[in-house]
Amino acid sequence: NAGVTQTPKFQVLKTGQSMTLQCAQDMNHEYMSWYRQDPGMGLRLIHYSVGAGITDQGEVPNGYNVSRSTTEDFPLRLLSAAPSQTSVYFCASSSSGGSSYEQYFGPGTRLTVT
Amino acid sequence: DAKTTQPTSMDCAEGRAANLPCNHSTISGNEYVYWYRQIHSQGPQYIIHGLKNNETNEMASLIITEDRKSSTLILPHATLRDTAVYYCIATDRYGNKLVFGAGTILRVKS
Repeated sequence: NAGVTQTPKFQVLKTGQSMTLQCAQDMNHEYMSWYRQDPGMGLRLIHYSVGAGITDQGEVPNGYNVSRSTTEDFPLRLLSAAPSQTSVYFCASSSSGGSSYEQYFGPGTRLTVT
Repeated sequence: DAKTTQPTSMDCAEGRAANLPCNHSTISGNEYVYWYRQIHSQGPQYIIHGLKNNETNEMASLIITEDRKSSTLILPHATLRDTAVYYCIATDRYGNKLVFGAGTILRVKS
């Protein structure tokens, strides 16, 4: 299993540009989520999904869109990048069933908006 | 979710037990205590979780007080690779919507 993979690892955008951060998992997990981490801070939840076709907002959803057309993929779209979105973005997945509620995190995408 | 309070940083000698405290005085009866750690800006890594009983796995032990207002994560024999930021999180049983605070920076020194 590759676990949770994220692409790209690094990205530089200009203000106003749009882009999509990719996240994929091969563990057949129902639950997937996106977090952002600003320097020296803990992670904050942006959006999450409890299964294909179902998404919901987290703590800091403004400026981001998500969709979940398959169980494996959960892309995060920045519609019009702003310097305030400079951050490290982590994707996570977990199984909703069973006795283990461990969340698996990807390696992160480091985004700089100039 | 209940708020948790952790010390900003702690030091531990290599080979000794690392005891990381967490206060969660407003935790509700159905909230679990989860611990994650983040090594050098990697994605967080799950360590352990529990409701009211003490828990142990291959990584650590979790001791929760009887009144559930505080807990301690114990790394029995800390190594240099355990240097990380440790997050204590109180959340629902499924541990999906995690609310991360600033955590405790644990420095393991030789």
